[in-house]
Amino acid sequence: AQSVTQLGSHVSVSEGALVLLRCNYSSSVPPYLFWYVQYPNQGLQLLLKYTTGATLVKGINGFEAEFKKSETSFHLTKPSAHMSDAAEYFCAVSYTNAGKSTFGDGTTLTVKP
Amino acid sequence: KAGVTQTPRYLIKTRGQQVTLSCSPISGHRSVSWYQQTPGQGLQFLFEYFSETQRNKGNFPGRFSGRQFSNSRSEMNVSTLELGDSALYLCASSVGTQEILSEQYFGPGTRLTVT
Repeated sequence: AQSVTQLGSHVSVSEGALVLLRCNYSSSVPPYLFWYVQYPNQGLQLLLKYTTGATLVKGINGFEAEFKKSETSFHLTKPSAHMSDAAEYFCAVSYTNAGKSTFGDGTTLTVKP
Repeated sequence: KAGVTQTPRYLIKTRGQQVTLSCSPISGHRSVSWYQQTPGQGLQFLFEYFSETQRNKGNFPGRFSGRQFSNSRSEMNVSTLELGDSALYLCASSVGTQEILSEQYFGPGTRLTVT
């Protein structure tokens, strides 16, 4: 069964610092990979996705992620954190269409002034 | 385009009752998926409907059921509610065809509290 591991349930950074949220998947077959963000009392919003092709994927709000097959990883980064980035972030995998996705446990990002 | 809408946004029910939640997908989307989100279990996949047929199913008991109408709107029903069913129920829609990968768009969720 496919699974997703997000290392670190809570990450705290200072405003302007690098954001790095880690995601590893377990599979011998490269999946489709997604990062979502969830603000309090809201649904999930897609930040970026990897399907095929270029392994460095750029998303919204300055986020990007790199697919590394050898490491089965898809870490999310942003060069400079902003206060508005404080939210919960979810990594997800799918092997067919996105209708059935498996989500990681989420990482709560706190941004300190 | 209007986004995914879910009704109601908040719901309080008593153990043993049943509840029906509704989801209207983005126009043109034929796939609707349901997820349960709780602090302890995280986001768990319930089921997916595509063109009025259940295409995928998660590991939930039969008390959880759903359906999809010809206009792609979907409902999920939970019968004989238990305290553990308290959760945020999220609906997501996507184009849904197998030929291309299309991302999911999530609604704001329905917060169900069972007392």
